[in-house]
Amino acid sequence: NAGVTQTPKFRVLKTGQSMTLLCAQDMNHEYMYWYRQDPGMGLRLIHYSVGEGTTAKGEVPDGYNVSRLKKQNFLLGLESAAPSQTSVYFCASKGPAGNNEQFFGPGTRLTVL
Amino acid sequence: AQSVTQLDSQVPVFEEAPVELRCNYSSSVSVYLFWYVQYPNQGLQLLLKYLSGSTLVKGINGFEAEFNKSQTSFHLRKPSVHISDTAEYFCAVSPNTGGFKTIFGAGTRLFVKA
Repeated sequence: NAGVTQTPKFRVLKTGQSMTLLCAQDMNHEYMYWYRQDPGMGLRLIHYSVGEGTTAKGEVPDGYNVSRLKKQNFLLGLESAAPSQTSVYFCASKGPAGNNEQFFGPGTRLTVL
Repeated sequence: AQSVTQLDSQVPVFEEAPVELRCNYSSSVSVYLFWYVQYPNQGLQLLLKYLSGSTLVKGINGFEAEFNKSQTSFHLRKPSVHISDTAEYFCAVSPNTGGFKTIFGAGTRLFVKA
């Protein structure tokens, strides 16, 4: 049982390049989330999904797109990377139980030059 | 809507000393409360949670937190810290009905010195 995994762990992009971050969970969770973590700002929600085939905007969605074609996977895309998107990205998932505990992946450290 | 304020961005403390990390929240509805810990270069993991019932909650690694509804606080405490407790700690809140999003505080970096 791997829990939540993220690929890749590190990435360096040039301004204007695109990339996709992959999140996978093996807990059969309905809810999945993408956050970014910046110093002194905690975690900010980028996009989330309440089930396969659904996505919704979070607090800071601009410049990102997501897809949830399979229940276990949640992809985060950057179409044209900007230096302001340099951050650590975390994926999380949550089951249907009401206590709202989230399970986190190990993170992806992205640098945009 | 909910918000979370962690009152200290950094807390340095000597090994074996007690520590308290402070968290205040605001919400117009009843909430669940959480503390997560993030060790260097890792993701967040749950330390403890308050759902209902006893206001004193015990978590992993000897941490505990007390829910104070009148003061809207959920402070985290440990009577004697170890070097291995050095990490960033996040307080978080989530509505206890009809909600599935969690609001995180900005984090408190605990640095335990020998």
